Amino acid sequence: DAGVIQSPRHEVTEMGQEVTLRCKPISGHNSLFWYRQTMMRGLELLIYFNNNVPIDDSGMPEDRFSAKMPNASFSTLKIQPSEPRDSAVYFCASSYSGVDYEQYFGPGTRLTVT
Amino acid sequence: QQPVQSPQAVILREGEDAVINCSSSKALYSVHWYRQKHGEAPVFLMILLKGGEQKGHDKISASFNEKKQQSSLYLTASQLSYSGTYFCGTGGGANNLFFGTGTRLTVIP
Repeated sequence: DAGVIQSPRHEVTEMGQEVTLRCKPISGHNSLFWYRQTMMRGLELLIYFNNNVPIDDSGMPEDRFSAKMPNASFSTLKIQPSEPRDSAVYFCASSYSGVDYEQYFGPGTRLTVT
Repeated sequence: QQPVQSPQAVILREGEDAVINCSSSKALYSVHWYRQKHGEAPVFLMILLKGGEQKGHDKISASFNEKKQQSSLYLTASQLSYSGTYFCGTGGGANNLFFGTGTRLTVIP
């Protein structure tokens, strides 16, 4: 299997612009997770889907952040409008079923908002 | 709800042992351990579910004390490849998972 695929790997954008991050989970995995990692706050779980349905989005920082999973093989995390404090590495991970299974992380998207 | 890890950093010589601790102020259902090398994604090590079980993975093992809301990761006979940042993640059984700030482990020859 190719593993979790994320795109783009790097994104540089100006404040106020819309940013869309993409993720393809491992085939057969029913759960998908979006994380944000910064030096200050560490690794934070933003939102978690199970069978394409959002289960817990309590980690989504603001209404500027939204996530969708239209089918089992694709998810997006959108930031609109972006701000400099959104600069971070965003990871997508998938697991067989739920939080308490081994999670496989994608390579991450390094986002820089200037 | 973020768990607290200790130590924050440790330097070992090859062959030495280390213990990384993780504690939570909340009741725990599960503890997850991941290792992340610089510039890479976190990689799964093990999950422990409540029940106080201990798991092993090669020369890396972990324990989970549900009553004390703590977990410890044990690295024995460390190898250069063990270098990285170790994260514990704690779940309260309600579809949530909170990661600690990490323990940076450096193994030197």
